Amino acid sequence: GQNIDQPTEMTATEGAIVQINCTYQTSGFNGLFWYQQHAGEAPTFLSYNVLDGLEEKGRFSSFLSRSKGYSYLLLKELQMKDSASYLCAALDSNYQLIWGAGTKLIIKP
Amino acid sequence: DGGITQSPKYLFRKEGQNVTLSCEQNLNHDAMYWYRQDPGQGLRLIYYSQIVNDFQKGDIAEGYSVSREKKESFPLTVTSAQKNPTAFYLCASRSLQGDQETQYFGPGTRLLVL
Repeated sequence: GQNIDQPTEMTATEGAIVQINCTYQTSGFNGLFWYQQHAGEAPTFLSYNVLDGLEEKGRFSSFLSRSKGYSYLLLKELQMKDSASYLCAALDSNYQLIWGAGTKLIIKP
Repeated sequence: DGGITQSPKYLFRKEGQNVTLSCEQNLNHDAMYWYRQDPGQGLRLIYYSQIVNDFQKGDIAEGYSVSREKKESFPLTVTSAQKNPTAFYLCASRSLQGDQETQYFGPGTRLLVL
């Protein structure tokens, strides 16, 4: 079957760095997405990786290892506004997104 | 202003009632999607459409129906056959041109049963 695993909840301190991991098993693979979702709002796109390696976008970076079925989202210089759920989703062979349940990130002052 | 709009923001359904959720996009995207999100769970695909007048069932289509008469519009009807409709409903769209894989979401509709 198809499956996405990510931690349910993480806590970090303002100004610190946090890494949110995601492992995936899909029938075929056409890329890995990270979305941010604030409570009660729609997900917003953060990153898309289809090749192995690290992609950096400001304070956020995303890493992919296709051979390991593994990705992480790295958030630097954490701000209180980064408190949100972070959703990992893999694009399967039919170009459908398979979603993880999301990681709720709590930022403490 | 390009984007995806969903209405209403909140919707209340009585027992045995059909309700329709609106989704409109002016991004000229070919594909449109409906997801359901329940607390503590990932998004689950209800229906999707890649072209006008054609749509496909997702993982949890039972109790729902859709239409795609125009490229811009993809309304979702929650029928009385859907016994547990309380959830956050998200509409998304994406371009099928080139390698544009990213799905963009509307603001969502929260459906509650009275």
